[in-house]
Amino acid sequence: GAVVSQHPSRVICKSGTSVKIECRSLDFQATTMFWYRQFPKQSLMLMATSNEGSKATYEQGVEKDKFLINHASLTLSTLTVTSAHPEDSSFYICSAGIGDEQFFGPGTRLTVL
Amino acid sequence: AQSVAQPEDQVNVAEGNPLTVKCTYSVSGNPYLFWYVQYPNRGLQFLLKYITGDNLVKGSYGFEAEFNKSQTSFHLKKPSALVSDSALYFCAVNWGFQKLVFGTGTRLLVSP
Repeated sequence: GAVVSQHPSRVICKSGTSVKIECRSLDFQATTMFWYRQFPKQSLMLMATSNEGSKATYEQGVEKDKFLINHASLTLSTLTVTSAHPEDSSFYICSAGIGDEQFFGPGTRLTVL
Repeated sequence: AQSVAQPEDQVNVAEGNPLTVKCTYSVSGNPYLFWYVQYPNRGLQFLLKYITGDNLVKGSYGFEAEFNKSQTSFHLKKPSALVSDSALYFCAVNWGFQKLVFGTGTRLLVSP
């Protein structure tokens, strides 16, 4: 089956630092990857759609300069949270698309102190 | 606007009893409908999907869902619940494009 990994699984950082989260499709190539954010006991909110070789498409209200997305290859997309603040603490989940389906990574728990 | 509603924040059921988790959608055209399950601190796991064809869709772990176009619903069901089914369930929809719109999620609690 299609497997998507994320690294790291959890990260704790100080306020003001930047954090990079990797999303990899392990056994398939994904031209499109998606980044979601999930607050406790809430649904997934789509942050952006990442397309290989082009700029990401951000959802309304998501700061593109704060959440930098790079999709350099067909198997790797990265999300960098720049100058992180405590309100950025959340669970970040990526997914990779094949046809009409998405396959989700295990998520990354970000805690900003 | 296109949206998905899960009217119940939580569903409680005793082990061995049938369970239903409700989902309705508001959309134009012919949607693709999905159910996912999420265990604590984990990503989403695919359960089943409806694209076209038979309205009753069978999925993983004994779950099934029935697409009802007139009621714009896609309720998740299982004939006999297990304690291990306790998790967070999300209904989602797209329209042939990969971008998914999720419902707010329903927590299923199966008691022994």
